[in-house]
Amino acid sequence: QVQLMQSEAGVKKPGASVNISCKASGYIFTDFGVTWVRQAPGQGLEWMGWISTYNGNTNYAQKLHGRVTMTTDTSTNTAYMELRMLTSDDTAMYYCARGVSQFDYWGQGTVVTVSS
Amino acid sequence: EIVLTQSPGTLSLSPGERATLSCRASQSVSNTYLVWYQQKPGQAPRVLIYGASSRATGVPDRFSGSGSGTDFTLTISRLEPEDSGVYYCQQYSRSVSFGGGTKVEIK
Repeated sequence: QVQLMQSEAGVKKPGASVNISCKASGYIFTDFGVTWVRQAPGQGLEWMGWISTYNGNTNYAQKLHGRVTMTTDTSTNTAYMELRMLTSDDTAMYYCARGVSQFDYWGQGTVVTVSS
Repeated sequence: EIVLTQSPGTLSLSPGERATLSCRASQSVSNTYLVWYQQKPGQAPRVLIYGASSRATGVPDRFSGSGSGTDFTLTISRLEPEDSGVYYCQQYSRSVSFGGGTKVEIK
């Protein structure tokens, strides 16, 4: 069955970076892109961007440009999302999801708390 | 960027009642590029409807989607207790964006 398993992240200090992994299984990794979505506490869903697992092309949300990098490792069927220069506004649950337009499978989520 | 506005913010209804959730877009969205998700507390979203009106695999037929252009609707014909949660619309006609969500409470 299709699964997306995310790493844990925890508490980060302001100005630090976070790197979250998303390991896919149960399907051909390069057949679907990976999208990252975050959700601040008690808030709605925010699209962060996607990466093509086929050729590495990326498309980032404008507000995150310059702070986010999405990569993949096709040898391990894993997608990564790095977010730099963290502020308290980045405190959220971070999800990876399969697809670049509509998202049929989601990871379990990774909690990132930014606090000094 | 296409802004999606969902209403009402909260819907409180009894089991067996009909729920009508609205999603309005700031620009026209192609019919095939509108998706609805359900999210329950502590869980990732689950896709319900894609292409504005097609049910995803395993979704009960009490869920239906309709609409075109800038106005879309998710209808739950007969609410069940397990339908409580937050419902989001999402478009990918121009980039990707989500609506703010409608919380459905079952009395």
